[in-house]
Amino acid sequence: EAQVTQNPRYLITVTGKKLTVTCSQNMNHEYMSWYRQDPGLGLRQIYYSMNVEVTDKGDVPEGYKVSRKEKRNFPLILESPSPNQTSLYFCASSLRPSSGGQTYEQYFGPGTRLTVT
Amino acid sequence: AQSVTQPDIHITVSEGASLELRCNYSYGATPYLFWYVQSPGQGLQLLLKYFSGDTLVQGIKGFEAEFKRSQSSFNLRKPSVHWSDAAEYFCAVGSSTPGTYKYIFGTGTRLKVLA
Repeated sequence: EAQVTQNPRYLITVTGKKLTVTCSQNMNHEYMSWYRQDPGLGLRQIYYSMNVEVTDKGDVPEGYKVSRKEKRNFPLILESPSPNQTSLYFCASSLRPSSGGQTYEQYFGPGTRLTVT
Repeated sequence: AQSVTQPDIHITVSEGASLELRCNYSYGATPYLFWYVQSPGQGLQLLLKYFSGDTLVQGIKGFEAEFKRSQSSFNLRKPSVHWSDAAEYFCAVGSSTPGTYKYIFGTGTRLKVLA
């Protein structure tokens, strides 16, 4: 089954304790992205990756790191989490737009609910 | 600056009534435009998308959207709402600039359907 998986689905941690949220897709997609969802703010893009070893900042990258060493995986790293990073996090992937401009939908993972106390 | 505005935070309609959810965007060129739906506790599912061609786009679950360049709008419509349509709806803009993969989402519209 084509899917984007995230682990863990729920995480409660304390301020300053490094954590990693994993994201994996089995669709051979070039593009991957991380978002956070907060009430009243919608989804905001944290980082994205257009291929292995190619990453760039979205709108809210502060406090986060990413890496893309393999095509299928795109982990999100919080090296020193703070309470303002309490949020619902989504990973997404898609094919690269075609040369004719045809774009493809993003497939979203189920989300990771993170609480930082 | 790029932005997406969904002016209605909440909308309530009766089952069987028509629906229109508004979306306005600000973007320098013609963007990729999307509508996603999120049911409670779920991830996001694509309803429809637009980049070029016919400005009236058909999607899943009986939804359609119309791109109006002059109004910078991409409103979502459904002629007859079902109780199962109750969810949160997000409009999104994707960058069409080569070399970027930036997406901006609106703040969402929560739809309530009365029986």
